Amino acid sequence: KAGVTQTPRYLIKTRGQQVTLSCSPISGHRSVSWYQQTPGQGLQFLFEYFSETQRNKGNFPGRFSGRQFSNSRSEMNVSTLELGDSALYLCASSSTGTGAEAFFGQGTRLTVV
Amino acid sequence: KNEVEQSPQNLTAQEGEFITINCSYSVGISALHWLQQHPGGGIVSLFMLSSGKKKHGRLIATINIQEKHSSLHITASHPRDSAVYICAVVSIKAAGNKLTFGGGTRVLVKP
Repeated sequence: KAGVTQTPRYLIKTRGQQVTLSCSPISGHRSVSWYQQTPGQGLQFLFEYFSETQRNKGNFPGRFSGRQFSNSRSEMNVSTLELGDSALYLCASSSTGTGAEAFFGQGTRLTVV
Repeated sequence: KNEVEQSPQNLTAQEGEFITINCSYSVGISALHWLQQHPGGGIVSLFMLSSGKKKHGRLIATINIQEKHSSLHITASHPRDSAVYICAVVSIKAAGNKLTFGGGTRVLVKP
């Protein structure tokens, strides 16, 4: 069974640009969560999508958005990039339900210059 | 105060030693996860607990719901156990699988 796939693995963007990251969950998993990891703030929850609907949202500005497609693949978008958006972005997929085991992708390392 | 606190922040052990990492949380939870992160970033789920104790190989995880406390033990530690270990909880107030994380424990096992 294929794991969680995130693309791209590395990305360098300029301030003010926008970026789209992709996450393909484990087959059959309908929940995809996104997290941001920085040295200063650690791991923080961005949002969760379940069956194409946003089920939970973290405390991030509106520049951070996401969506989920009918095949459960998810994308997150960050507009008007700031230097502080440089981080490792991780997605995790889970089967249906609450508190299900989370399977993480390898992450996308975004550097904003 | 963070909802999830881990201790210690850093830990150095000699190969073969017994290691314990602690996690305390302040909210009601539906599940607690122990995660492992190696350099390079990938995170692996080690355990998911809602009660009692689980064991996998040399790793043991316990949880005390009444005391809002969990421990991760590594028996006969090995240099390949060197990683960051992260405790995360799913609050009963949050629908779905939203994880709230502790700050992580950086473990170094010396040969």
